[in-house]
Amino acid sequence: SAVISQKPSRDICQRGTSLTIQCQVDSQVTMMFWYRQQPGQSLTLIATANQGSEATYESGFVIDKFPISRPNLTFSTLTVSNMSPEDSSIYLCSAEGNTEAFFGQGTRLTVV
Amino acid sequence: GENVEQHPSTLSVQEGDSAVIKCTYSDSASNYFPWYKQELGKRPQLIIDIRSNVGEKKDQRIAVTLNKTAKHFSLHITETQPEDSAVYFCAASKRDSSYKLIFGSGTRLLVRP
Repeated sequence: SAVISQKPSRDICQRGTSLTIQCQVDSQVTMMFWYRQQPGQSLTLIATANQGSEATYESGFVIDKFPISRPNLTFSTLTVSNMSPEDSSIYLCSAEGNTEAFFGQGTRLTVV
Repeated sequence: GENVEQHPSTLSVQEGDSAVIKCTYSDSASNYFPWYKQELGKRPQLIIDIRSNVGEKKDQRIAVTLNKTAKHFSLHITETQPEDSAVYFCAASKRDSSYKLIFGSGTRLLVRP
């Protein structure tokens, strides 16, 4: 099974600023994903992070707002840009292992 | 794209009773259906999964059934215990292509001692 370390675990940010969230996997994985989870809600897929190419974004999410990097098979970052209070949420990364998907512990973001 | 619906949104059972959570999916090409348990403030953890070539799978007190024709699958927890209290999410994906998980809306399960 894969172990994913995600940081920061939480942050409080001023509106208009940006935050970059990092995920490190302890083994090489082909597929990584970024999700958003509003308090008390389900997980919504933001994008698929592809190694060596641009991320693939889901409907309602755009690269200018959520730029993603995937420099190698063990690491990815998600940036939440020009934040507003509506971006307050939990952001989770996920990696696809051989038999199942694993999740990071999440980043609880509060925008004030 | 895929759409997953989950019911009920909340479920309260007496300790020792059974709990059943149901999900339907829209994309007939989906072939992998995991169930995740999420405790408060924690990451989702896989508890059981089923692939489209199987109709039922069991793991101790937990079982999942899949009806491909009707495009629905269910989670069954028997002999519930207070530590089963959590939010449960179903999901669907195409495991041989995109691998992305589309989640249901979640079920908050409360097991009363």
